[in-house]
Amino acid sequence: ETGVTQTPRHLVMGMTNKKSLKCEQHLGHNAMYWYKQSAKKPLELMFVYNFKEQTENNSVPSRFSPECPNSSHLFLHLHTLQPEDSALYLCASSQDIDGAGTQYFGPGTRLLVL
Amino acid sequence: AQTVTQSQPEMSVQEAETVTLSCTYDTSESDYYLFWYKQPPSRQMILVIRQEAYKQQNATENRFSVNFQKAAKSFSLKISDSQLGDAAMYFCAYTTLSGSARQLTFGSGTQLTVLP
Repeated sequence: ETGVTQTPRHLVMGMTNKKSLKCEQHLGHNAMYWYKQSAKKPLELMFVYNFKEQTENNSVPSRFSPECPNSSHLFLHLHTLQPEDSALYLCASSQDIDGAGTQYFGPGTRLLVL
Repeated sequence: AQTVTQSQPEMSVQEAETVTLSCTYDTSESDYYLFWYKQPPSRQMILVIRQEAYKQQNATENRFSVNFQKAAKSFSLKISDSQLGDAAMYFCAYTTLSGSARQLTFGSGTQLTVLP
């Protein structure tokens, strides 16, 4: 399998549930990202990992907890979410050694919080 | 802080015609990258074209080309010979070259409809 994959593609959860989103990249990249895409709003960067180290946390609430065990995998752990957290969550990766700056995106996880 | 503005929430074009999508950005950096991404109904974000700020020549990729005006901080996308498969949300994005990881700032998007 090539590119960036995300699972699950769709998720419905209650506010008291705990769930995790998974992202895997098969591109040999060193940087991985989580974005949130809500209706009528630009994509919002949530977290950035570079060489497994978190380099950016854009004031994301603690109910979102990222984990990057290696350069190929990225998780977003969810707990006690709110209905306004319903959105499309996109994962991306990039190879920043070559300085190209291009990010490659996964298909996203559509999350609905009830 | 960098900002990216897309002033056209929606655009439409007749199949086989040409359409131009606008994008302006604000930055104090002199070296950066600009991108156009396409997001079809499948929601997969796909890179359309990339422009390096230090290059004067406008990037082209088959039917897609940009008009990069660095002084004006403008980065428009021209789609020639529009096809039905071009219908999608188009996002303009910016990234600086500083820092160890590339952080994209996105515009709010332009929804393109292609009319048969």
